[in-house]
Amino acid sequence: AQSVTQLDSHVSVSEGTPVLLRCNYSSSYSPSLFWYVQHPNKGLQLLLKYTSAATLVKGINGFEAEFKKSETSFHLTKPSAHMSDAAEYFCVVSYTGFQKLVFGTGTRLLVSP
Amino acid sequence: DSGVTQTPKHLITATGQRVTLRCSPRSGDLSVYWYQQSLDQGLQFLIQYYNGEERAKGNILERFSAQQFPDLHSELNLSSLELGDSALYFCASSDRDGYTEAFFGQGTRLTVV
Repeated sequence: AQSVTQLDSHVSVSEGTPVLLRCNYSSSYSPSLFWYVQHPNKGLQLLLKYTSAATLVKGINGFEAEFKKSETSFHLTKPSAHMSDAAEYFCVVSYTGFQKLVFGTGTRLLVSP
Repeated sequence: DSGVTQTPKHLITATGQRVTLRCSPRSGDLSVYWYQQSLDQGLQFLIQYYNGEERAKGNILERFSAQQFPDLHSELNLSSLELGDSALYFCASSDRDGYTEAFFGQGTRLTVV
């Protein structure tokens, strides 16, 4: 079955320090991978996507993620956190031939001044 | 703004009642997906339509149904409502049939009392 695991339910960082949100996926098929962000009382916004092109994917707001097939990982990083980055982040996987996106359980990013 | 419009934004109703949630996809998108987000279940895929046809079903209860109309807007009907149906319901759209990124609306928050 398709699945994705977000390894941390909460991550706390200080403003200006790096962000690392971890995600692992099941490897039954060639996946497409996404990161979405959800700000409080808002919908989900696509941050970035991997669809078998470059393994290092750049997204919006300075975020990037690296697809590592050997580790079945797709971790999200940002060099320097901003207060506005505080939100819930979802790692999402989809597989060729399957009609749905499978969401991880989410990681809440807290940014302190 | 994702271009996906959901109405209403908030809905409060009593147990046993029936409600209809409406979604207008982004211009040109043929696929519509419905998701339910609750604290205990996370984000769950409910159902997908592509160009008016049902394409995939997820964890959708028999009391719930959906359809996509010729103008591509979609409605999710929830009947015999229970307290546990209280959740945020998201609609998303994409230009292809499955396994691609989707653009999410702001959601409808349903409260069953």
